[in-house]
Amino acid sequence: DTGVSQNPRHKITKRGQNVTFRCDPISEHNRLYWYRQTLGQGPEFLTYFQNEAQLEKSRLLSDRFSAERPKGSFSTLEIQRTEQGDSAMYLCASSLQTSTPYEQYFGPGTRLTVT
Amino acid sequence: GDSVTQMEGPVTLSEEAFLTINCTYTATGYPSLFWYVQYPGEGLQLLLKATKADDKGSNKGFEATYRKETTSFHLEKGSVQVSDSAVYFCALGGSNYKLTFGKGTLLTVNP
Repeated sequence: DTGVSQNPRHKITKRGQNVTFRCDPISEHNRLYWYRQTLGQGPEFLTYFQNEAQLEKSRLLSDRFSAERPKGSFSTLEIQRTEQGDSAMYLCASSLQTSTPYEQYFGPGTRLTVT
Repeated sequence: GDSVTQMEGPVTLSEEAFLTINCTYTATGYPSLFWYVQYPGEGLQLLLKATKADDKGSNKGFEATYRKETTSFHLEKGSVQVSDSAVYFCALGGSNYKLTFGKGTLLTVNP
């Protein structure tokens, strides 16, 4: 296992369409996180899972966004009725449930462009 | 809430120059502190970390010391190389497992 993987790497969609991204964490990591990064800014936390349970959601995660991790392995992030303001890099990270849970390993990201 | 403020860039240096990127934070409790690096076209990579006051994190010639009294975690390197050109992010890990990032500092090192 070489790290966190994300698919697709790039997605261009028209406003109003739905999109879904996938994240495969490092295999033994039981925590999984989603972040959003816009141009010139640092990543902003969206949500996180411990195993299959979604334990926290940011206020940034409007009701058009939904994330799942059905079997505690891979996760999906869906955006419904996309808006131009959703254009960003969506990052996934994973970590082990240890005494340093913040040592998160990031995937390469999915860049979303909404036209 | 938790927040991180880091030196705005861009920073341009010549090879072998000394680097400092300032980072200060606001947090409740006893956060962990991190520097992440993002090379062109790549994902975020953990560069170094410190989990308690007075800890020094170090990696690849970079160092940062967790200063509770000044709420700072400044990144330093004694002699930068062209290959260090990247965006550097200071981050804080608070009580709820999420990371709070600064805005990032773009470093360009010229030969």
